Amino acid sequence: DTEVTQTPKHLVMGMTNKKSLKCEQHMGHRAMYWYKQKAKKPPELMFVYSYEKLSINESVPSRFSPECPNSSLLNLHLHALQPEDSALYLCASSLTSGASYEQYFGPGTRLTVT
Amino acid sequence: AQKVTQAQTEISVVEKEDVTLDCVYETRDTTYYLFWYKQPPSGELVFLIRRNSFDEQNEISGRYSWNFQKSTSSFNFTITASQVVDSAVYFCALSEVYNAGNMLTFGGGTRLMVKP
Repeated sequence: DTEVTQTPKHLVMGMTNKKSLKCEQHMGHRAMYWYKQKAKKPPELMFVYSYEKLSINESVPSRFSPECPNSSLLNLHLHALQPEDSALYLCASSLTSGASYEQYFGPGTRLTVT
Repeated sequence: AQKVTQAQTEISVVEKEDVTLDCVYETRDTTYYLFWYKQPPSGELVFLIRRNSFDEQNEISGRYSWNFQKSTSSFNFTITASQVVDSAVYFCALSEVYNAGNMLTFGGGTRLMVKP
């Protein structure tokens, strides 16, 4: 089973709202990732969790707050977003964060900030 | 610094044609990994292949084949007898072994449109 699930599929939120994106995998992977993808662009890495610890934060604004409650679950808490944050948010996982391991991606959450 | 270039932004073919997607990379490391991902309109990136820098064997999987040439820093992807279901954006990506956190450097992507 190489499935990464993400909820919700679509999210519309106002600039003053607080919402969360959820990602889950049951492949026993110990590295999990959040990416942001704008239209017609490649994914951009936001955060990397390795063994439930945040190992990389790619200078992401504090209005995005990641959380890894356990090895299967990854959340992205959103607060006071801007319209330019509208994008497809992709979660991925890999066996570990070593360079040789392919990442498996979820279907994404399409976020619109109004 | 590493870089991946996919010079073809869009390719349009008619079903059953063969098509090659180009990928050229730059890295100073001797150990690295190259990947191809497919992103259909649904949005999910689907892993297709991984190749390490020490393995220059070409690979074939059904209608898909990959040609890795270290001498020209290229890792090209060919689809034989294309089908409408192959329509997607294809990303080539590079991961260097000394990068923390398995950070992928993606190319800009090639949008492939296969017309019936």
